[in-house]
Amino acid sequence: QKEVEQNSGPLSVPEGAIASLNCTYSDRVSQSFFWYRQYSGKSPELIMSIYSNGDKEDGRFTAQLNKASQYVSLLIRDSQPSDSATYLCASPPGGAGSYQLTFGKGTKLSVIP
Amino acid sequence: EPEVTQTPSHQVTQMGQEVILRCVPISNHLYFYWYRQILGQKVEFLVSFYNNEISEKSEIFDDQFSVERPDGSNFTLKIRSTKLEDSAMYFCASSYVRTDTQYFGPGTRLTVL
Repeated sequence: QKEVEQNSGPLSVPEGAIASLNCTYSDRVSQSFFWYRQYSGKSPELIMSIYSNGDKEDGRFTAQLNKASQYVSLLIRDSQPSDSATYLCASPPGGAGSYQLTFGKGTKLSVIP
Repeated sequence: EPEVTQTPSHQVTQMGQEVILRCVPISNHLYFYWYRQILGQKVEFLVSFYNNEISEKSEIFDDQFSVERPDGSNFTLKIRSTKLEDSAMYFCASSYVRTDTQYFGPGTRLTVL
């Protein structure tokens, strides 16, 4: 069973601080990773995708991937109250042919004004 | 910006009744998916669909479930005889190619009484 694990939180950070969200995965051959944001009662909304080891930056968001440690993280700089949501880590299983996303349970982030 | 749409937004049904959930994927996308999320739990993969046939399905997607692309735009999920445990948010997603990002619709909340 391929697993994606996240700390469910809640993670509380003050406005303007850096929020750090972490995810580990069990499938050593997974190649692609996605961070989605989900507001309560809404659908997952893509924040970032990452495929290669290292960092990928997009505005206030930075995704970090370490395949050797089977670890992917999301940093949110200058956190805003509107960033308060549940952040979902997702990955399709490695190997040929499968692109069903396996999701973690999500980390609930609260940004305190 | 193109988006996935779903109807209805909320469906209430009696146990044992059939329901059909509808989705219009992004117009040039070729791969279509259904996921569900029981309240407070992970987003779970149900089925993927390409070229008018099922590509993958999960253990959840048993004989009570079926999918169809009845015309060039709609993609439907049918549950033949609903159970209480089918109560969940059902999300449709689509991607241009299988390796690409999956974009989610707003979801249909299914309540089985």
